[in-house]
Amino acid sequence: KNQVEQSPQSLIILEGKNCTLQCNYTVSPFSNLRWYKQDTGRGPVSLTIMTFSENTKSNGRYTATLDADTKQSSLHITASQLSDSASYICVVSVPDSWGKLQFGAGTQVVVTP
Amino acid sequence: GAGVSQSPSNKVTEKGKDVELRCDPISGHTALYWYRQSLGQGLEFLIYFQGNSAPDKSGLPSDRFSAERTGGSVSTLTIQRTQQEDSAVYLCASSLVGGHLFFGSGTQLSVL
Repeated sequence: KNQVEQSPQSLIILEGKNCTLQCNYTVSPFSNLRWYKQDTGRGPVSLTIMTFSENTKSNGRYTATLDADTKQSSLHITASQLSDSASYICVVSVPDSWGKLQFGAGTQVVVTP
Repeated sequence: GAGVSQSPSNKVTEKGKDVELRCDPISGHTALYWYRQSLGQGLEFLIYFQGNSAPDKSGLPSDRFSAERTGGSVSTLTIQRTQQEDSAVYLCASSLVGGHLFFGSGTQLSVL
């Protein structure tokens, strides 16, 4: 069973609207939680990294939140743009095992005009 | 270069042939990772190099897969006797320890 579950699997939103993506994880303990954006045919690009002591981190119109008690994270996209169409991947890292990042399957976001 | 470079970008091969995939990491990054991504699936860990330490090979799916990193820089992933189920995008990433991963654009491998 995947230790990082993302929802929804996909969503379609109108340009200019906001949306929130969810990530639930069972990895414990964990070092940090990351969100990546992957455009079609490209490698993932890092959006945010949060340690277990951080609750929120922003990167432009992207805001990630983390609740380490409930093992949940969310990624909020504000005022979506067509260029936001991509897969958004939640990744959890384990202490002393930087190589073994646990990847979620991603949420496919499509922004329409 | 400024980013992680992978070559070739696309590789079509026949079942049973060997293939080599190359990764040039960002200069100064001590950590290098190989992942595999099948269509519509999440990234699957293959192998991790960190400095001069022994690589973590626990993600390699079979002994047909091997990887090396020469001089702490360029890495080559080799798949021997390719099978159709090896078809996927192979992604390489590099980082400073614990830092952001910077991914290449991947190699799309198609085994006919």
